[in-house]
Amino acid sequence: DIQMTQSPSTLSASVGDRVTITCRASQSISDWLAWYQQKPGKAPKLLIYRASSLESGVPSRFSGSGSGTEFTLTISSLQPDDFASYYCQQYNSYPRTFGPGTKVDI
Amino acid sequence: QVQLQESGPGLVRPSETLSLTCTVSGGSISDYSWSWIRQPAGKGLEWIGRIYTSGNTNYNPSLKSRVTMSLDTSKSHFSLQLTSVTAADTAVYYCARETPSFDYWGQGTLVTVSS
Repeated sequence: DIQMTQSPSTLSASVGDRVTITCRASQSISDWLAWYQQKPGKAPKLLIYRASSLESGVPSRFSGSGSGTEFTLTISSLQPDDFASYYCQQYNSYPRTFGPGTKVDI
Repeated sequence: QVQLQESGPGLVRPSETLSLTCTVSGGSISDYSWSWIRQPAGKGLEWIGRIYTSGNTNYNPSLKSRVTMSLDTSKSHFSLQLTSVTAADTAVYYCARETPSFDYWGQGTLVTVSS
């Protein structure tokens, strides 16, 4: 199985901050990586696919980059609606695996 | 707009079988892969497995011996069976469409394993 790690596990930030979350894969996954946002009591929401492609309807302040084993999710200017947990997920191979998550709070 | 809705018992006895169904509306169930993902309270996401409309399946090796998935295109739904459940299987269970990222999700259903 491909193991996914994320850092940091928790991130304290303020509205307007630039926020970066890192995700690492235990082996190369090319760009087969997605990022999800999850709010309490809700299903995850797809933000980014193929490492850097923005899902339709997702604000442009979200961006993704990376390939191989190291990836980043950046929020250029944090908004009140962005306080949530974020998960990366690889789909290079089965079983699909998720990172442990990063909680972004105030 | 594609919508997914999980249904099934919210309480399952230990050692029994957990059975859930996901109904797809607003789009075709054909020519896609459909997955089950679960999340214990306060924890991360675990992929359980997926089924393609051809019937091909892939399961998480950690659960493979206990998991069966099926799909009924005529009813536009797919199902999960997890046998011999324990308290460790208590979680919110989500169904999702795989394209191959997970672009549509159900709202999730809490399944508690308890006597």
